[in-house]
Amino acid sequence: EAGVTQFPSHSVIEKGQTVTLRCDPISGHDNLYWYRRVMGKEIKFLLHFVKESKQDESGMPNNRFLAERTGGTYSTLKVQPAELEDSGVYFCASSPLQGEETQYFGPGTRLLVL
Amino acid sequence: AQSVTQLGSHVSVSEGALVLLRCNYSSSVPPYLFWYVQYPNQGLQLLLKYTSAATLVKGINGFEAEFKKSETSFHLTKPSAHMSDAAEYFCAVSESNFGNEKLTFGTGTRLTIIP
Repeated sequence: EAGVTQFPSHSVIEKGQTVTLRCDPISGHDNLYWYRRVMGKEIKFLLHFVKESKQDESGMPNNRFLAERTGGTYSTLKVQPAELEDSGVYFCASSPLQGEETQYFGPGTRLLVL
Repeated sequence: AQSVTQLGSHVSVSEGALVLLRCNYSSSVPPYLFWYVQYPNQGLQLLLKYTSAATLVKGINGFEAEFKKSETSFHLTKPSAHMSDAAEYFCAVSESNFGNEKLTFGTGTRLTIIP
């Protein structure tokens, strides 16, 4: 069974540009989460999808961040326009709808904004 | 609100020595607790989890952790360190009421193994 995959693995962009990160969860997992780790700090929650609906987006830092999960499968996280402080590692995780507390993480996307 | 404190951002132990990584949490409801490990250039991998069953939890690669409610702790241990244990370790908590809740992480502990 394939794990959670994320694309790209690395992205280097200039301030003001747009970047779109993609996450493919484990097949059949209805819960999808985005997290971010900035410069050696703690990993922080961004938002949670249940299927295609946003269950909790309390961690989204501002309106430059837009997450979508059309069709309840893969998800994208767009940052527009990117700022220097957006640099970090963006993790995606997934879990089944019920009966499993464990979140399965992808390898992350390393974003550097110059 | 829940929070996690990991004491020691860097821990070094000799190969064969005891590994002890500390984690303290706060939660307003009975917690679920997790330890994840991140090896270089890889994603987060679950080591073990506590979900209100046995307080001593055994995980992969010889690691275990004990939930102590009175101390609000969930320290990670391994009797004998191996070179392959070098990685960054994260403690996390979630609220257990419904499951599938967001995780709150500590700042991580980087474990170095001295040959």
